[in-house]
Amino acid sequence: AQTVTQSQPEMSVQEAETVTLSCTYDTSESDYYLFWYKQPPSRQMILVIRQEAYKQQNATENRFSVNFQKAAKSFSLKISDSQLGDAAMYFCAYSTRAGGTSYGKLTFGQGTILTVHP
Amino acid sequence: NAGVTQTPKFQVLKTGQSMTLQCAQDMNHNSMYWYRQDPGMGLRLIYYSASEGTTDKGEVPNGYNVSRLNKREFSLRLESAAPSQTSVYFCASAGLFSNQPQHFGDGTRLSIL
Repeated sequence: AQTVTQSQPEMSVQEAETVTLSCTYDTSESDYYLFWYKQPPSRQMILVIRQEAYKQQNATENRFSVNFQKAAKSFSLKISDSQLGDAAMYFCAYSTRAGGTSYGKLTFGQGTILTVHP
Repeated sequence: NAGVTQTPKFQVLKTGQSMTLQCAQDMNHNSMYWYRQDPGMGLRLIYYSASEGTTDKGEVPNGYNVSRLNKREFSLRLESAAPSQTSVYFCASAGLFSNQPQHFGDGTRLSIL
């Protein structure tokens, strides 16, 4: 079974600074997806960024980027120019590739609470 | 612009009471999921339905039952609620070739006294 571990229960950052959230995972599969989700106090689950395991290039979405180290099974999220609206719980998640571009079940990490100080 | 709709949003139960959480999606998705979210543990899969007419256990199925009523609806039932089932419950759905792995509802906060 796959496992996802987020070792930082809480992180904080000053507005406009950069912060990195850590995630490690364990799997015996070679083809899979990794994701970061944001959960603000509203409880919505918002997809921030995704990474396909077969792609060596790290994914980037505006101020959000990942550092994907497949051999080390590490998948960290970097938030640049942090904004007050970035304050939330962040979850790392893993999915198998169900077939074609379809996704399988999600396995989540424990979450990291990010606080942004003005 | 509905997506995944969960009802109710909040509920308080007494130990031993039964309750059904409802979930409906309007995106014609094949797969539907129920998760629970507890502090410090992230989201854990309770049950899922890969397609209409099928259901399978996830990581934490004990104390729950599910029904995939039709392609749109997937309900979660607590037959005899226990305080350990106090949690936030999320329903999600997924379709082939979707731009997202799963689309989530807004959650149900369930407290069992």
